[in-house]
Amino acid sequence: DAGITQSPRYKITETGRQVTLMCHQTWSHSYMFWYRQDLGHGLRLIYYSAAADITDKGEVPDGYVVSRSKTENFPLTLESATRSQTSVYFCASNPGVGRYEQYFGPGTRLTVT
Amino acid sequence: QQPVQSPQAVILREGEDAVINCSSSKALYSVHWYRQKHGEAPVFLMILLKGGEQKGHEKISASFNEKKQQSSLYLTASQLSYSGTYFCGTEALLSGGSNYKLTFGKGTLLTVNP
Repeated sequence: DAGITQSPRYKITETGRQVTLMCHQTWSHSYMFWYRQDLGHGLRLIYYSAAADITDKGEVPDGYVVSRSKTENFPLTLESATRSQTSVYFCASNPGVGRYEQYFGPGTRLTVT
Repeated sequence: QQPVQSPQAVILREGEDAVINCSSSKALYSVHWYRQKHGEAPVFLMILLKGGEQKGHEKISASFNEKKQQSSLYLTASQLSYSGTYFCGTEALLSGGSNYKLTFGKGTLLTVNP
């Protein structure tokens, strides 16, 4: 019973490189979310998805791309990483259908040099 | 727009009480509360829905004032395990019902000392 997992857990990359963060959940939850967490800002929503092939922007989507071809996977891609994208990234899922709590993955700490 | 949490930080001795407030400028459908311990993921505590009741979870309870778009989290007889950062997450009131999309506050750091 893995729940929700993220990979890699830690990543160091250089400015300008493309990076993909993976998120996988085993519950078949409808909703999935990507947040970034920075000191002094709390959790900010990057993108979310209501179902496979349905995605929408959150508060801070610039510089990020998402896809969701399968219910269980929700990868986040930084097309050309910048130092301002250094952050801790959390993926979360929610079952929908009247259940409101979000379940968070363990996070990915990304450093862009 | 992020909800505003207050205070930003609070230090307690074990057994003391605390109140954390969350205020939004938007009409709300729900308010969520999460706790995050250092180096870990946020964990859901409770949700308060528009028109719902005050909720409780062990010695932690919360209220939601729909008219003022404010919620408060009450921690009574605090324990060492209550230490962490508390976030409120708000869901805007939409005509189509819930879209499960939250906007989080910046958090309140709670430290409970022996």
